[in-house]
Amino acid sequence: QKEVEQNSGPLSVPEGAIASLNCTYSDRGSQSFFWYRQYSGKSPELIMFIYSNGDKEDGRFTAQLNKASQYVSLLIRDSQPSDSATYLCAVTPPNTGNQFYFGTGTSLTVIP
Amino acid sequence: DTAVSQTPKYLVTQMGNDKSIKCEQNLGHDTMYWYKQDSKKFLKIMFSYNNKELIINETVPNRFSPKSPDKAHLNLHINSLELGDSAVYFCASTLRGSYYGYTFGSGTRLTVV
Repeated sequence: QKEVEQNSGPLSVPEGAIASLNCTYSDRGSQSFFWYRQYSGKSPELIMFIYSNGDKEDGRFTAQLNKASQYVSLLIRDSQPSDSATYLCAVTPPNTGNQFYFGTGTSLTVIP
Repeated sequence: DTAVSQTPKYLVTQMGNDKSIKCEQNLGHDTMYWYKQDSKKFLKIMFSYNNKELIINETVPNRFSPKSPDKAHLNLHINSLELGDSAVYFCASTLRGSYYGYTFGSGTRLTVV
């Protein structure tokens, strides 16, 4: 099984707060982890990827990976109304040749 | 300059018709995919081609037939359309082994009436 689980939300945070998005995956050998942002009516766009345990920061975004717990998260600091979107977690299990398995996405609303 | 382009963007058709969606990428990628996104936003893999060869064929009705004339193009033909085929279909591409993620096309919203 290659399941990727996310809380569907909706998650609401006030402007300026930290938004925390979580994702768990079932295949322990998974190697690559991605976060995509999808605005309503638009295509998914890559915002972060992470391969190693620990934190990876890019501007206001931080991806956190814990392979032992099979858990990957995305933190958005100083949330802005423009961050309101659906966030999709994607995982590449081993021996799948780059194939992504997506979670169902978490809908985030940042309230001004 | 569009990296992954899909046509048409919108497609409204009656049940029983046959339709095609086209996808082209100019990124030099060698692997292309078709995903179906349902109303709950779940992205499900349908097919994948690497250098024109089919490498992933998930459990999809055989009314769906992909075709890759070259590694820059991947088309999707759907026969005998059903109401349940209504969804957004995304094309995506990547360079196999690069692990830098997919680039998605803008999507085709298919509505079967």
